[in-house]
Amino acid sequence: DADVTQTPRNRITKTGKRIMLECSQTKGHDRMYWYRQDPGLGLRLIYYSFDVKDINKGEISDGYSVSRQAQAKFSLSLESAIPNQTALYFCATSDQRTGGGRETQYFGPGTRLLVL
Amino acid sequence: AQSVTQLGSHVSVSEGALVLLRCNYSSSVPPYLFWYVQYPNQGLQLLLKYTSAATLVKGINGFEAEFKKSETSFHLTKPSAHMSDAAEYFCAVSGGSGGYQKVTFGTGTKLQVIP
Repeated sequence: DADVTQTPRNRITKTGKRIMLECSQTKGHDRMYWYRQDPGLGLRLIYYSFDVKDINKGEISDGYSVSRQAQAKFSLSLESAIPNQTALYFCATSDQRTGGGRETQYFGPGTRLLVL
Repeated sequence: AQSVTQLGSHVSVSEGALVLLRCNYSSSVPPYLFWYVQYPNQGLQLLLKYTSAATLVKGINGFEAEFKKSETSFHLTKPSAHMSDAAEYFCAVSGGSGGYQKVTFGTGTKLQVIP
């Protein structure tokens, strides 16, 4: 079984709809991240969380919210989806015990979102 | 502030030829540097990372990268390309001064391997 799983893998929605992307991990890591990937732009950080009570905005958090329901679960919500949120979304985890900026991030397989 | 620049969004090599993917970084503190690979329809996975030990870093699948402070570079190489190396490669940097250090990714280089 994969260590970092994302559901759904693909989603088509309409402008104005609220949707939730879910991420679960079995790696026992405390840190979790949400990124979006757009062609030619690489990965950009949306939100990150260091533990259940710690949520931080990344560089492109507008239009998104997150919930850390448990150490192993981190959800991303689009409150009112718009077409320019069409992208590939990745969840990632890392272990702060190897931290200080050197920790490896472990990525889920991604969710491909299309907003019509 | 920190950033990485990957030169060339697409690189094509023949099977068996040298692979060279370029990455230059900017960082106000000694950096940690990473190369990640993304195979089609998959998430990213770590190829290798530099964390201030040896400047020549060996990774998985025969890849290696050399940290050159004077050139602010961390280019990725592999002596002989295989068809299975076709993927997108991302260089990333984080500040090496302790605490939480945001990881900044480059825009990626797609490697095509021609038979």
